Amino acid sequence: QVQLQQSGPGLVKPSQTLSLTCAISGDSVSTNGAAWNWIRQSPSRGLEWLGRTYFNSKWYNDYAVSMKSRVTINPDTSKNQLSLQLNSVTPEDTAVYYCARGYLQKGFDPWGQGTLVIVSS
Amino acid sequence: QSALTQPPSASGSPGQSVTISCTGTSSDVGGYNSVSWYQQNPGKAPKLMIYEVSKRPSGVPDRFSGSKSGNTASLTVSGLQAEDEADYYCSSYADSMNLLFGAGTKLTVL
Repeated sequence: QVQLQQSGPGLVKPSQTLSLTCAISGDSVSTNGAAWNWIRQSPSRGLEWLGRTYFNSKWYNDYAVSMKSRVTINPDTSKNQLSLQLNSVTPEDTAVYYCARGYLQKGFDPWGQGTLVIVSS
Repeated sequence: QSALTQPPSASGSPGQSVTISCTGTSSDVGGYNSVSWYQQNPGKAPKLMIYEVSKRPSGVPDRFSGSKSGNTASLTVSGLQAEDEADYYCSSYADSMNLLFGAGTKLTVL
């Protein structure tokens, strides 16, 4: 059974970098063809896919167009986890952030427990 | 691209059937068989209920079914149970490697 455990700070100051990690158990971040995603949810913006990383003979990253300039998703094979970095945050980035395994075309399952990140000074 | 359009609320009595719609365009719902549905309970992560329009992941009751006609996808919950009360979100793959979500439908079991 695949389980995803998220960790990271719940409060980030404006203009700083939001950093979260997602530890994977029951699967490997390096599983060929398995994609690992970050998705966020806020009352104002709803659910929003941020991007993904996956290994298919080599590592790939894809990001939502609206986030591309600010987001970085990296795998950590030594710890079997993935990370999210979102630069230059504003209060608009306040949301619950989720990691999830899956594909844009086939849905996401399972999801991490979610991390509420508040951007405030 | 705009979010997919869902009704804000839906309701039904125990044992009844309820259908929730999800309307997009030919660039997303109508153009791909890549619609998913999620159930979300308060304070919890979304749970995948339907993928690729009508497929159910293992463990999802067959009371949940999905379909699509043109630019509109639908989730039907048959034999409503109290535990089905939750928020439901649709999503669809869209042009240029994009993913759209609906704003969600609150399902109330009367």
